[in-house]
Amino acid sequence: GQNIDQPTEMTATEGAIVQINCTYQTSGFNGLFWYQQHAGEAPTFLSYNVLDGLEEKGRFSSFLSRSKGYSYLLLKELQMKDSASYLCAVRPARGKLIFGTGTRLQVFP
Amino acid sequence: EAGVTQFPSHSVIEKGQTVTLRCDPISGHDNLYWYRRVMGKEIKFLLHFVKESKQDESGMPNNRFLAERTGGTYSTLKVQPAELEDSGVYFCASSQVQGGIKTQYFGPGTRLLVL
Repeated sequence: GQNIDQPTEMTATEGAIVQINCTYQTSGFNGLFWYQQHAGEAPTFLSYNVLDGLEEKGRFSSFLSRSKGYSYLLLKELQMKDSASYLCAVRPARGKLIFGTGTRLQVFP
Repeated sequence: EAGVTQFPSHSVIEKGQTVTLRCDPISGHDNLYWYRRVMGKEIKFLLHFVKESKQDESGMPNNRFLAERTGGTYSTLKVQPAELEDSGVYFCASSQVQGGIKTQYFGPGTRLLVL
């Protein structure tokens, strides 16, 4: 079967760094995506990994290890506006995404 | 550039009624996807169009759901007759067919409540 696991909730303090982990078991692998979703809004694309290693994009970075079926999203210099759900999604082949249940991050002052 | 739009934003209907959801993808995106999130669960794939053709409809729950994309532009998803378990948020996403990583861009969703 297809399975993606990520923590349900996390909390952090403004200005801090937080790492959101994602492990996956899928029938194939053609890329891993991270999306941010504020309540009641559309999921918005944050990052994409298809090769092992770290992809950095401003305050956000994403890491992938295909052999371990593992990814993480790293958020630095946290801001209050980063409070949102973070969705890990794997594309097993061309086409559809398989999502985890999402990690709800709360940033406190 | 306009993003993916969905209509309506909310719909409340009674069991047994019919509802039609609409999605307008980003202009030029030939890939169009429908997903659904039931409360407390993950977002799940329903089906995938490439232009007007159904590429993958493996996620459609049953034959009460009918998706169309006539002309390869906007798409509709009709639920007839609606059941209580159809309640949830229906998302549409679109992506390019050629080039790039084919990121899927999502609409804000339609919140469907079946009473």
